[in-house]
Amino acid sequence: LAKTTQPISMDSYEGQEVNITCSHNNIATNDYITWYQQFPSQGPRFIIQGYKTKVTNEVASLFIPADRKSSTLSLPRVSLSDTAVYYCLVGRSYNTDKLIFGTGTRLQVFP
Amino acid sequence: DAGVTQSPTHLIKTRGQQVTLRCSPKSGHDTVSWYQQALGQGPQFIFQYYEEEERQRGNFPDRFSGHQFPNYSSELNVNALLLGDSALYLCASSLLSRQGPTRLMNTEAFFGQGTRLTVV
Repeated sequence: LAKTTQPISMDSYEGQEVNITCSHNNIATNDYITWYQQFPSQGPRFIIQGYKTKVTNEVASLFIPADRKSSTLSLPRVSLSDTAVYYCLVGRSYNTDKLIFGTGTRLQVFP
Repeated sequence: DAGVTQSPTHLIKTRGQQVTLRCSPKSGHDTVSWYQQALGQGPQFIFQYYEEEERQRGNFPDRFSGHQFPNYSSELNVNALLLGDSALYLCASSLLSRQGPTRLMNTEAFFGQGTRLTVV
């Protein structure tokens, strides 16, 4: 499974757009990129998944360049409730045999 | 529709004791995976159960064992507890679907809120 690298932490203010970038240089052809969100003392929650170009849902957008060696999770107009840890995972689509989590990016949103 | 439920929410045990954690999967799911999350770290895969059998296992010692019941619920057992076993234990459920004669694939995993285990 491809290793991922993301910033340890990020700070933002309410109403701003937040972009979290993940590097995955060894991504395989069949791999998808999936992002999870985790609040303190809760389990991770699926946010978005993509293979290439751009994916958007009601929560976030995921931008994937043509070489797929990185991806960017974009959270529009964050609020205090978006304060959480965000994990980038690489693997087969929805294949949950063995989710490999890194240490994630701790996002702190300030008023 | 109930999501993934875990019990208990918190637990304190003494070194050397044994502990059993419980998980009920989301309605319609048949596969349960267990993860250990130490403070400040991402969740680490322990093992996965399907059709009452351990289907895949992570890098955890034999002190960690599990069981899945006919109703798809699952238990995680940890024997001879160590201080280092203190963590948030997460259960995730999914549905394993057959993609062909030999290929099985999991749907998106849903996580419970976890059990916070403290070993003193």
